[in-house]
Amino acid sequence: DSGVTQTPKHLITATGQRVTLRCSPRSGDLSVYWYQQSLDQGLQFLIQYYNGEERAKGNILERFSAQQFPDLHSELNLSSLELGDSALYFCASSVAGGVSGNTIYFGEGSWLTVV
Amino acid sequence: AQSVSQHNHHVILSEAASLELGCNYSYGGTVNLFWYVQYPGQHLQLLLKYFSGDPLVKGIKGFEAEFIKSKFSFNLRKPSVQWSDTAEYFCAVIPRNTGFQKLVFGTGTRLLVSP
Repeated sequence: DSGVTQTPKHLITATGQRVTLRCSPRSGDLSVYWYQQSLDQGLQFLIQYYNGEERAKGNILERFSAQQFPDLHSELNLSSLELGDSALYFCASSVAGGVSGNTIYFGEGSWLTVV
Repeated sequence: AQSVSQHNHHVILSEAASLELGCNYSYGGTVNLFWYVQYPGQHLQLLLKYFSGDPLVKGIKGFEAEFIKSKFSFNLRKPSVQWSDTAEYFCAVIPRNTGFQKLVFGTGTRLLVSP
């Protein structure tokens, strides 16, 4: 158990819908990351938050957004869903947000299936 | 483009065989290097990491990796694999000049160990 908690574990939804994925980081970790793992794209970095503020953006679509709340949990919002959005979405956390050599710990992921 | 390459996409070994998985990166500056493992149906787990110092690093479960700066490589090794090592292995890099901890993953190598 990495200490990073993600909900829901599995989600099936229809095209055009909107879903929210939730992540609680490890206790004491200020930084939260979102990654998407799909068969064709592999593991892709989406976005990083540090202590409530967006720190870095990766290959995140405009239909997707995220935020980190004062209690440090994070949510990834996926809207206008398309079949190609079906993937495993990982949340990860680390103590710091800079290049400090901190290890990044991953949650178990949320399986999203768009039908 | 800057990237992380894992040349072996699928590897099949018998138990007790030796393993070496290749990883090359194309970042010119200083990097932090990681190997993650993903067992079937599970989340990413850290196997080992290199930040500085001895280029030969030892991780969990008998794995080790060697950083060769001149070759931009960080190959993963295990002298004798077990059936339980069947998993997908990801090499990942954090380029230190990006100012944040953006893990860039390779495409992964699927290892199947036959009993």
